[in-house]
Amino acid sequence: GESVGLHLPTLSVQEGDNSIINCAYSNSASDYFIWYKQESGKGPQFIIDIRSNMDKRQGQRVTVLLNKTVKHLSLQIAATQPGDSAVYFCAEHSSASKIIFGSGTRLSIRP
Amino acid sequence: DAGVIQSPRHEVTEMGQEVTLRCKPISGHDYLFWYRQTMMRGLELLIYFNNNVPIDDSGMPEDRFSAKMPNASFSTLKIQPSEPRDSAVYFCASSPGQVKSPLHFGNGTRLTVT
Repeated sequence: GESVGLHLPTLSVQEGDNSIINCAYSNSASDYFIWYKQESGKGPQFIIDIRSNMDKRQGQRVTVLLNKTVKHLSLQIAATQPGDSAVYFCAEHSSASKIIFGSGTRLSIRP
Repeated sequence: DAGVIQSPRHEVTEMGQEVTLRCKPISGHDYLFWYRQTMMRGLELLIYFNNNVPIDDSGMPEDRFSAKMPNASFSTLKIQPSEPRDSAVYFCASSPGQVKSPLHFGNGTRLTVT
């Protein structure tokens, strides 16, 4: 499959441990944020989103935290599994069409 | 729903040739986006449409690139003439658009220009 970036920061995590992926966003006017997962050979897939009136949102095994004061977003994955290996992107929306993607973080799982 | 469908999945062509990439968005989605992904530049927005009308094409690299959306279920991205530096993965994405919502991406077309 396609390699999305040889120069991406990489997070290596032991299988079963929790993973935390961080993202700094740029526009203080952004009010909607999304985490995407991109596996090799596929397009980015939606994982979880959060709006600016919240600071935490939980899904199945995933939690997104938003700190508007420092413009920081994080994705927490509980009990990381081999299938979680992918590149993770954060994205910020200041409008329905004005979307800025982060550069991505590669998550690698150690058995 | 089958999701966003792109074709072809892979395209290999020689410099100077015309390349046409195709996209079928999710039915009912009002917005369609074309992105390009490279190792060096990540995901770049090329152009997006709202209700079949091009709204912002400021990301289109140059006049060699053009995009059309003749109806709500089909869009094309054309490169003529192609150059080696156009080699990348091209993604199409759609979204409902009325409120801010996630993009739904296709699996991309990997373009190699030799």
